[in-house]
Amino acid sequence: DIQMTQFPSSVSASVGDRVTITCRASQGLNNWLAWYQQKPGKAPKLLIYETSILQSGVPSRFSGSGSGTDFTLTISSLEPEDVATYYCQQANSFLLTFGPGTKVDI
Amino acid sequence: EVQLVESGGGLVQPGGSLRLSCAASEFPFSAYWMTWVRQAPGKGLEWVANIKGDGSENYFVDSVKGRFTISRDNAKNSLYLQMNSLRDEDTAVYYCARGYCPSSGCYFRAFDLWGQGTMVTVSS
Repeated sequence: DIQMTQFPSSVSASVGDRVTITCRASQGLNNWLAWYQQKPGKAPKLLIYETSILQSGVPSRFSGSGSGTDFTLTISSLEPEDVATYYCQQANSFLLTFGPGTKVDI
Repeated sequence: EVQLVESGGGLVQPGGSLRLSCAASEFPFSAYWMTWVRQAPGKGLEWVANIKGDGSENYFVDSVKGRFTISRDNAKNSLYLQMNSLRDEDTAVYYCARGYCPSSGCYFRAFDLWGQGTMVTVSS
């Protein structure tokens, strides 16, 4: 199975800061990597799929990049409503796995 | 409204069984891969199982193989998760979610619509 790691596990930043979260896979993903945002007590929300494609309705301050085994989610200018936990998810095989999550607060 | 609504969660003893349901509304259910994802209290997300739109393929995380069954009734726009031989470590919120369908087709690789979740507690 493909293992996923994320770092940092938590980050505290100020409004307007640039925040970058890294996700690393145990093997290459052929760009089958998605990112989700989850707020406390809520279901996850899809932000980005196929490494860099922004889901409809997601603000453009979110972006994704990467290739092979290393991927990043960037929030270009942190807003108060971005306080949440962010998960990466690989889909290079039918057996899917999520990263452990990165908690972002202000 | 396009939505997913889970039901069927509750308290069950170790070794017991439970059947979760997920009702889909306002989208062509049979076209979409569907999945179950769970989240133990205070923990991260764990993918549990997938099923193809026509029900012809399904896949499970190793920890539930042989104990859980995923199925769907496209005539009823419903997804199910039959959980047998439940263990303490199956305690979690269970979400159903829909695979995404970009212009190139429908895939299991990301999930663009989620239900609100249903809580399953396995405890004596």
